Amino acid sequence: GNSVTQMEGPVTLSEEAFLTINCTYTATGYPSLFWYVQYPGEGLQLLLKATKADDKGSNKGFEATYRKETTSFHLEKGSVQVSDSAVYFCALSEASGTYKYIFGTGTRLKVLA
Amino acid sequence: EPEVTQTPSHQVTQMGQEVILRCVPISNHLYFYWYRQILGQKVEFLVSFYNNEISEKSEIFDDQFSVERPDGSNFTLKIRSTKLEDSAMYFCASSLGQVRINEQFFGPGTRLTVL
Repeated sequence: GNSVTQMEGPVTLSEEAFLTINCTYTATGYPSLFWYVQYPGEGLQLLLKATKADDKGSNKGFEATYRKETTSFHLEKGSVQVSDSAVYFCALSEASGTYKYIFGTGTRLKVLA
Repeated sequence: EPEVTQTPSHQVTQMGQEVILRCVPISNHLYFYWYRQILGQKVEFLVSFYNNEISEKSEIFDDQFSVERPDGSNFTLKIRSTKLEDSAMYFCASSLGQVRINEQFFGPGTRLTVL
């Protein structure tokens, strides 16, 4: 079946460091890919998305590129801030059926001042 | 900007009791979903709903669970007899159309605590 694999956390970085959170997927067809962010005690907020191969999603300095050849959608940010501390979820929307979302396990990011 | 709302934000119940979690999807959306997230774990699909019927459900969604759209605006998840392991955050989501580029919009979640 379809699945999403994320790198284990927590990831601890100093402010202004470069961030990469790895995400790979297994899916039939051509799923859409998403990154969601969850701040403590809050719900899921869409961070960015990409719907086809080579698309780059970007928002608030975060970027991710849909790589079909490596089945990856790694999240990057050039300079993290303390306010970026949260849990980040990679997800795919299945390419058929009910188009439900499959989520990764989440990666907790902690940014230190 | 339209948003998905959920009530209550936190529900505490005793094991064996029935609970109903409520969601108001975005008004012109047609497809509705429930997901759950056990504390510290990943978000898991429970059920999808379209045209007043379940279109897909996961293994988690057993006979203790049911969903309903009782009127034109609400979408509910009922757990008939809660168990300790039902303690989780429950997210409702809706989408405009069930094509793969359509984004699901998530509510803020209801935290269910079963004692």
